[in-house]
Amino acid sequence: GESVGLHLPTLSVQEGDNSIINCAYSNSASDYFIWYKQESGKGPQFIIDIRSNMDKRQGQRVTVLLNKTVKHLSLQIAATQPGDSAVYFCAENNAGNMLTFGGGTRLMVKP
Amino acid sequence: DSGVTQTPKHLITATGQRVTLRCSPRSGDLSVYWYQQSLDQGLQFLIQYYNGEERAKGNILERFSAQQFPDLHSELNLSSLELGDSALYFCASSPTVRLDEQFFGPGTRLTVL
Repeated sequence: GESVGLHLPTLSVQEGDNSIINCAYSNSASDYFIWYKQESGKGPQFIIDIRSNMDKRQGQRVTVLLNKTVKHLSLQIAATQPGDSAVYFCAENNAGNMLTFGGGTRLMVKP
Repeated sequence: DSGVTQTPKHLITATGQRVTLRCSPRSGDLSVYWYQQSLDQGLQFLIQYYNGEERAKGNILERFSAQQFPDLHSELNLSSLELGDSALYFCASSPTVRLDEQFFGPGTRLTVL
């Protein structure tokens, strides 16, 4: 598969543990944020989104937290599974109809 | 499978050449986005089309151009190719012009030799 970002920060977790992936965004005027998952050799896949009028949003096994005060976004994955191993990107709409992606974090799940 | 298709999957060409990448959005989606993903730059937004019209422009070089056709498929044209243009090029689509969940295609890997 394709190698995305040879020097990405890496988070290594044990299968079954919870994972927390963090992201600092740049524009305090951004009002929409998305988390994407990218597996090797594939395009990014939508995980969850949140608008700036919310602090927290939950999906299936995932939770996104938004702290506008410190411009911080986090993705929590409960009971991490081997299939969660991928690169995770946060994105913000910091200029109208444009998404700006973060550099990504590689999640590795140890069996 | 996101429902977005991209062709070709791989493309190898030489510097100075011109190539065309093709994208078919999900059925019913009117917006198409193009992104470039390289190892040192991450995912970079290039351009958005909605129902045939350009709607947003990112860091797209003047050597690059795109269009969206009446059947809503889109093409990204890359000309006067340089070594640094080697990257993965992704197309994404969404139902409306509003920034919302985007569905990404599998990408085209461009290698410029």
